[in-house]
Amino acid sequence: EAGVAQSPRYKIIEKRQSVAFWCNPISGHATLYWYQQILGQGPKLLIQFQNNGVVDDSQLPKDRFSAERLKGVDSTLKIQPAKLEDSAVYLCASKQEGAKNIQYFGAGTRLSVL
Amino acid sequence: QQPVQSPQAVILREGEDAVINCSSSKALYSVHWYRQKHGEAPVFLMILLKGGEQKGHEKISASFNEKKQQSSLYLTASQLSYSGTYFCGTGGSQGGKLIFGQGTELSVKP
Repeated sequence: EAGVAQSPRYKIIEKRQSVAFWCNPISGHATLYWYQQILGQGPKLLIQFQNNGVVDDSQLPKDRFSAERLKGVDSTLKIQPAKLEDSAVYLCASKQEGAKNIQYFGAGTRLSVL
Repeated sequence: QQPVQSPQAVILREGEDAVINCSSSKALYSVHWYRQKHGEAPVFLMILLKGGEQKGHEKISASFNEKKQQSSLYLTASQLSYSGTYFCGTGGSQGGKLIFGQGTELSVKP
């Protein structure tokens, strides 16, 4: 079974530029999460989708971050404009319905904002 | 509120044992344990639900005391492959979102 796919693996941009990350969850997983992991910290939830609907985006900085999951499968997270403090690893995770909330993570995209 | 993990870091020799603790100030429904190696995805180890059960995974086991809002991860006879950062994720309700601790970095030396 293929895991959660994310791209790109690394991205370096200058502040005020925009960037987008892509995630393809495990086939059949209805729930998709985006997390931000700052160096030395645990993952912090940014947004949770159930199929193509948003369940929780309470910690998403909506003035600069946006995410979509139009067809209920893959998802895109965008930052515009980026700030220095956005430097982090952005992890995507997915979960099957009724699966005791076990989340499977992708390898992440490491973003450096200069 | 973010759970607190202790210790923050631990160094072991192969074959030694370690305990990692995870404490929450809120009532818990579940505790999830993950291990993340540098530059890789966090990997699910085990889940513990309300009931104080202890679960095992090879030589790694865990306990959950919902009254104390605590969970402990036990690593026995550690192997080099156990090196990585261990995270606990706590859930306040069935299917609810997970809040992750800050992580415990474990290094196993030959």
